[in-house]
Amino acid sequence: EAQVTQNPRYLITVTGKKLTVTCSQNMNHEYMSWYRQDPGLGLRQIYYSMNVEVTDKGDVPEGYKVSRKEKRNFPLILESPSPNQTSLYFCASSALAGSRTDTQYFGPGTRLTVL
Amino acid sequence: DAKTTQPTSMDCAEGRAANLPCNHSTISGNEYVYWYRQIHSQGPQYIIHGLKNNETNEMASLIITEDRKSSTLILPHATLRDTAVYYCIVAGRGSTLGRLYFGRGTQLTVWP
Repeated sequence: EAQVTQNPRYLITVTGKKLTVTCSQNMNHEYMSWYRQDPGLGLRQIYYSMNVEVTDKGDVPEGYKVSRKEKRNFPLILESPSPNQTSLYFCASSALAGSRTDTQYFGPGTRLTVL
Repeated sequence: DAKTTQPTSMDCAEGRAANLPCNHSTISGNEYVYWYRQIHSQGPQYIIHGLKNNETNEMASLIITEDRKSSTLILPHATLRDTAVYYCIVAGRGSTLGRLYFGRGTQLTVWP
């Protein structure tokens, strides 16, 4: 089954404790992206990657890191989480259809709480 | 830098058509218009996309104005399960390929 998986689904942590949220897709997609969603603000793009070893900042990259060492994985790293990073996080992937980003497939979400 | 403008909320009677508008007056050249929806806090789900022509699939129809500055998503026979937040997105091309702006979307409520 074609899918995007995220782990963990729920995480409660404390300020300053490094964490990684994993994202994996089994569709051989070139493009992967991370979003955060906060009440009243919709989905905001954090980072995206057009292919292995290629990453770019989205709209809200501060406080986050990503890496794309393999095509299927795109982990989101919070080196020193702060309470303002409490949010619902979504990973997405898509093929690149020529010069446009194709339909995105989203993971189930990770609800992060930073105390 | 908002790329799309949508009403915050709309409602619709079950069985009737739901028409969700979107303004994208700064859309450029070959940018596509995509629609996604999000039910409660699940991952967003793709609905439809288009460039210039009207499009239809099993879920919805997309009407894009001739000047491409606005579009309308049509759910022909809305059901209670269509209650969701609907996002209109202009997808980047060229130097902005990969940058996707979801905005705040429209909360559609379908009532019995």
